Amino acid sequence: GNSVTQMEGPVTLSEEAFLTINCTYTATGYPSLFWYVQYPGEGLQLLLKATKADDKGSNKGFEATYRKETTSFHLEKGSVQVSDSAVYFCALFKTGANNLFFGTGTRLTVIP
Amino acid sequence: KAGVTQTPRYLIKTRGQQVTLSCSPISGHRSVSWYQQTPGQGLQFLFEYFSETQRNKGNFPGRFSGRQFSNSRSEMNVSTLELGDSALYLCASSSTGQSNEQFFGPGTRLTVL
Repeated sequence: GNSVTQMEGPVTLSEEAFLTINCTYTATGYPSLFWYVQYPGEGLQLLLKATKADDKGSNKGFEATYRKETTSFHLEKGSVQVSDSAVYFCALFKTGANNLFFGTGTRLTVIP
Repeated sequence: KAGVTQTPRYLIKTRGQQVTLSCSPISGHRSVSWYQQTPGQGLQFLFEYFSETQRNKGNFPGRFSGRQFSNSRSEMNVSTLELGDSALYLCASSSTGQSNEQFFGPGTRLTVL
């Protein structure tokens, strides 16, 4: 079946530290992969996406590369800010199923 | 373009009651999906509607139902509420059924007492 395994949190980092949140997936075929971010009291915002192997999604300094050989889509940012504090969700979309499969979410707290 | 809107934003109900939540997708979007978010189960898919037809359904009991209107607005209904139904209910819209980019609303926070 389709599933996403995401690094457990919470993660606490100092401002300007390097961020990595691991994500691996299980799916047949070629799913599209996403990172969503959820700020307190809000819905989900699409952070970045990749639709095929070796694609790199990027947005607001965040990056993730679709690695089919390792079935991974790890999220990285070179220098986090306090405003990046949020919960991050890795997800996959499988055409045909027409819905997103989410990881459990990773709470990131950035301290000044 | 206005984003996905959900009403109401907050609801408090008691066990045994029923509730209806509403979602208005982004203008021009024809697919609406619903998700339940709880601390214990995370984000789980409820159902997806496209052009007024339910095309896909998650693993939820029959107490959870939905519909979509001709203007693409969608409602979901939960009957005979249980304490475990307390959750954030998120609606997402996409332009076509095959589009993989979904845009989420702010959610409706349902509390069942």
